[in-house]
Amino acid sequence: GAVVSQHPSRVICKSGTSVKIECRSLDFQATTMFWYRQFPKQSLMLMATSNEGSKATYEQGVEKDKFLINHASLTLSTLTVTSAHPEDSSFYICSARDYQGPQETQYFGPGTRLLVL
Amino acid sequence: ILNVEQSPQSLHVQEGDSTNFTCSFPSSNFYALHWYRWETAKSPEALFVMTLNGDEKKKGRISATLNTKEGYSYLYIKGSQPEDSATYLCAQIQGAQKLVFGQGTRLTINP
Repeated sequence: GAVVSQHPSRVICKSGTSVKIECRSLDFQATTMFWYRQFPKQSLMLMATSNEGSKATYEQGVEKDKFLINHASLTLSTLTVTSAHPEDSSFYICSARDYQGPQETQYFGPGTRLLVL
Repeated sequence: ILNVEQSPQSLHVQEGDSTNFTCSFPSSNFYALHWYRWETAKSPEALFVMTLNGDEKKKGRISATLNTKEGYSYLYIKGSQPEDSATYLCAQIQGAQKLVFGQGTRLTINP
């Protein structure tokens, strides 16, 4: 099946620093990738939809200047958490849609655990 | 965004027993419902994509049904095995290509 990798798997950073998370589709091209966030005991919440070669579409309440998304190629999207603060500590997970796959299934990466001190 | 609910939140089942759990979703403007299995430290794995009312899909010992008129889907696992231990997520397509997830059902199979 289609494989999506995500790097790093976990990161600890100091408050005020920026953190970049990479999401790659390894064996298919993804014109659309999605970024989700999960707080403890809550469901995966869509943050933004990343489109190759164009600006990302952010969900209501998600600050686009705080969570910078770049989708520069058909296999790579990056999420940068700028000036991270402890409240940004969360689990971030990406997915990629394979339009040639069955019924537009989204394939997920393994996620990134971010802890901001 | 309209809520997708899953119940129960967690479930302990004896190895060999069968089990099922529920996903409830808004029935208006239904497009598709996805089921995923998510093992700890791994990527969520797509199980089923269900689109038609009355759909029943099967993958090995796991099957799912869909009722779009009343807004629910059931996931069944027959003869549970330890490797079935995982969190099972359902997600509904809402709006333009957006997946709205339930909180998941955490299943633990006791040997």
